[in-house]
Amino acid sequence: AQSVAQPEDQVNVAEGNPLTVKCTYSVSGNPYLFWYVQYPNRGLQFLLKYITGDNLVKGSYGFEAEFNKSQTSFHLKKPSALVSDSALYFCAVRDGSSNTGKLIFGQGTTLQVKP
Amino acid sequence: DVKVTQSSRYLVKRTGEKVFLECVQDMDHENMFWYRQDPGLGLRLIYFSYDVKMKEKGDIPEGYSVSREKKERFSLILESASTNQTSMYLCASAKGGSVTEAFFGQGTRLTVV
Repeated sequence: AQSVAQPEDQVNVAEGNPLTVKCTYSVSGNPYLFWYVQYPNRGLQFLLKYITGDNLVKGSYGFEAEFNKSQTSFHLKKPSALVSDSALYFCAVRDGSSNTGKLIFGQGTTLQVKP
Repeated sequence: DVKVTQSSRYLVKRTGEKVFLECVQDMDHENMFWYRQDPGLGLRLIYFSYDVKMKEKGDIPEGYSVSREKKERFSLILESASTNQTSMYLCASAKGGSVTEAFFGQGTRLTVV
């Protein structure tokens, strides 16, 4: 069975500092990993994904994520946080060996960036 | 741009009513999903469909059913609404296979009284 864990309910960081939002996953086949962001009263927006290749993937708004197969992790990072990055972030996984493409999400992490 | 449209932003229904939540996508995607979002629980998959008339249960299918008679439309049905089904419901669609990202609708805030 697939699962995703986001161990932190909330991450607080000062503007200009680097940020990390953690994600670990479990999947029987090849992991296809995604990060989404949700701003208040809005739907989820896609940020980036890892399918194969370079373990460091870059996405929208200056975000990047590092895939670590041995630690089954896919942490979201940004070198310098902005107040406008404050939002709810979700990690998700699909099983690459599955024909049906079931997509499972973590419980979400609230990022609070303070001026 | 991909558009995923949910028929209502807000709904209020009475306990025991049969409730239909509709979702339409305009990009010919094979996969469609229904999630509910609750604080602290994240997005939980209710059902998904990988083709017309094909469906698979997610993690919390109890009390729900789905219908996919046409490729662009995926309906979530609450057979007899209960107060514990008060939640935000999110629909998503994606191309077939597993490598592509899903696109989400704006959500339907359902309140069962």
